[in-house]
Amino acid sequence: SYVLTQPPSVSVAPGKAARITCGGNNIGSKSVHWYQQKPGQAPVLVIYNDSDRPSGIPVRFSGSNFGNTATLTISRVEAGDEADYYCQVWDASSDHWVFGGGTKVTVL
Amino acid sequence: EVQLVESGGGLVKAGGSLTLSCAASGFTFSSYTLDWVRQTPGKGLEWVSSISSGSDYIYYVDSVKGRFTVSRDNAKNAMYLQMNSLSAEDTAVYYCVRAWGAPPSFFDYWGRGTLVTVSS
Repeated sequence: SYVLTQPPSVSVAPGKAARITCGGNNIGSKSVHWYQQKPGQAPVLVIYNDSDRPSGIPVRFSGSNFGNTATLTISRVEAGDEADYYCQVWDASSDHWVFGGGTKVTVL
Repeated sequence: EVQLVESGGGLVKAGGSLTLSCAASGFTFSSYTLDWVRQTPGKGLEWVSSISSGSDYIYYVDSVKGRFTVSRDNAKNAMYLQMNSLSAEDTAVYYCVRAWGAPPSFFDYWGRGTLVTVSS
């Protein structure tokens, strides 16, 4: 089965950039979606189709996807960006959705 | 406004059954694929099941195949998850989710979730 690997945690100072990786075999050939989840809340879509932003998501959120790694970048990090972030792809070989294990972003 | 409201969660003994419901409003229900995603408290997200708009395509994660059955009633704007032979590993918050389109399209709206607790 297809596996997505994320670092468990990322720490970043306010105003700096946070980069969250999502590794998978040839993930660059798939569409990657990213979700933000704050404590006690349902996940919220922040990036879809590798690099598109839904309406209402700040331009500070961006995404890329090449080779074996997809990356979510949060520029000029704010305290309100503290959350868990999950990547997601569709594995057509098994007809399964796959989520990464999640990355906790901590703002120092 | 799109709304997805789950219900039916609760405490059940191992080996028991439970049916979750998802009531939808604010969009043309019959046009969208819907999914169930669960989250063990303090852990990550796990996709459970997907049902296409006309119930033509249904998918399950391997761990629930043969035990869970997803269905929908487009006339009632509702989706269901019948869960049988429950075990402690099924303890989680279950989210009802709308997909923008067929896979690999993204999940654009999530409900608040309903907690299922399976006691051993």
